[in-house]
Amino acid sequence: DIVMTQSPDSLSVSLGERAAINCKSSQSVVYNSNNKNYLAWYQQKPGQPPKLLIYWASTRESGVPDRFSGSGSGTDFTLTISSLQAEDVAVYYCQQYYDTPLTFGPGTRVDIK
Amino acid sequence: EVQLLESGGGLVQPGGSLRLSCAASISSFRSYAMNWVRQAPGKGLEWVSSISGSGVSTNYADSVKGRFTMSRDNSRNTLHLQMNSLRAEDTAVYYCTKASSSGWYAASDIWGQGTMVTVSS
Repeated sequence: DIVMTQSPDSLSVSLGERAAINCKSSQSVVYNSNNKNYLAWYQQKPGQPPKLLIYWASTRESGVPDRFSGSGSGTDFTLTISSLQAEDVAVYYCQQYYDTPLTFGPGTRVDIK
Repeated sequence: EVQLLESGGGLVQPGGSLRLSCAASISSFRSYAMNWVRQAPGKGLEWVSSISGSGVSTNYADSVKGRFTMSRDNSRNTLHLQMNSLRAEDTAVYYCTKASSSGWYAASDIWGQGTMVTVSS
């Protein structure tokens, strides 16, 4: 199984400041035939289902604000919120969909400092 | 509006059975793989199972293999999860999700609101 880890476990950031969450996979999630990273990021606010933010490691889902960006390749990935807003308080999960079992990271909680 | 609506959750005794359903308001439903993902209270996300767009192929987490069966009815745009031999560790909110492609090696771009399953005596 591909194990996903995230750091930090939690993050407190001032409004308008940058937040960065790291995600690492235990093996590469790049599919050689198309050179795509099979990595997604989700946001889950309290009492709500997760919402897809980023797929293919760096492609923003339609309707997602451009302050959210994804980067990285192979085994190391980052989700960056360029200017934290109050509505961004949530838990963020990375997920690999390169192989089954599809696996998620443990989550990173982001709140306001 | 594209949406998924789960139903069928509830309280069941250990060893019991439950059948979850997911009604999908999705055009070209048969074009997409579907998943079940669960979340135990206060915990993270765990993939449970996937089914191809045609319904011919399924895949399961080891933790549920042999106990859970996923199926779909493309004529009714519905998804099912038959859960047998339930254990306390199956207690979770179960989410129905739509994959962004016909295969399950894809991100989940639509999530339902979830249905709670509690396994307890």
